[in-house]
Amino acid sequence: AQKITQTQPGMFVQEKEAVTLDCTYDTSDQSYGLFWYKQPSSGEMIFLIYQGSYDEQNATEGRYSLNFQKARKSANLVISASQLGDSAMYFCAMRDPYNQGGKLIFGQGTELSVKP
Amino acid sequence: GAVVSQHPSRVICKSGTSVKIECRSLDFQATTMFWYRQFPKQSLMLMATSNEGSKATYEQGVEKDKFLINHASLTLSTLTVTSAHPEDSSFYICSARESAGGPTDTQYFGPGTRLTVL
Repeated sequence: AQKITQTQPGMFVQEKEAVTLDCTYDTSDQSYGLFWYKQPSSGEMIFLIYQGSYDEQNATEGRYSLNFQKARKSANLVISASQLGDSAMYFCAMRDPYNQGGKLIFGQGTELSVKP
Repeated sequence: GAVVSQHPSRVICKSGTSVKIECRSLDFQATTMFWYRQFPKQSLMLMATSNEGSKATYEQGVEKDKFLINHASLTLSTLTVTSAHPEDSSFYICSARESAGGPTDTQYFGPGTRLTVL
């Protein structure tokens, strides 16, 4: 069975500094996708970044980058130059694209607080 | 990115009544929609996968007769919480896949519906 683990319930970072949010996963499938979502206090889930299991390069989207280490089965999110608006819950998720309707399996989440 | 709407955003109802929540993909067709439930400070728990024109696939432990899902068109899925009780109070979120398949398909989420059952 697929499993996603986020071991950091809460993280603090100083404004303008970089922060890494950890995510490890477990799957026996060769083809899968990894996602990061941000959930502010308002509740909506905001898609941040995607990494495919066959992608050779780490995904980047603006200040977000994904440190993908396939052998270690980790997909850590790096946020550079943190801003106060980055304070939110962050969820890592995995999808098997070809089975089970492509549903997402979510990790427990990490609550990020950016300090001014 | 694609836009998914949910209605209502917040609902308060009396115990024993039924509540319908709508999920719409506004600018794309979604053959598959998903319904999640989230308790405070916890992760999203998938309730069911909704496919247009067919019966929903429910996750283990989710009562089909309690949470009725209908996906009548490529842009609309509804979740009806029947005979709601206080323990059904939660944050319900839907998501939609932009196309029928492919590893890069992104799921876009609605803004969520906060249900409070008195």
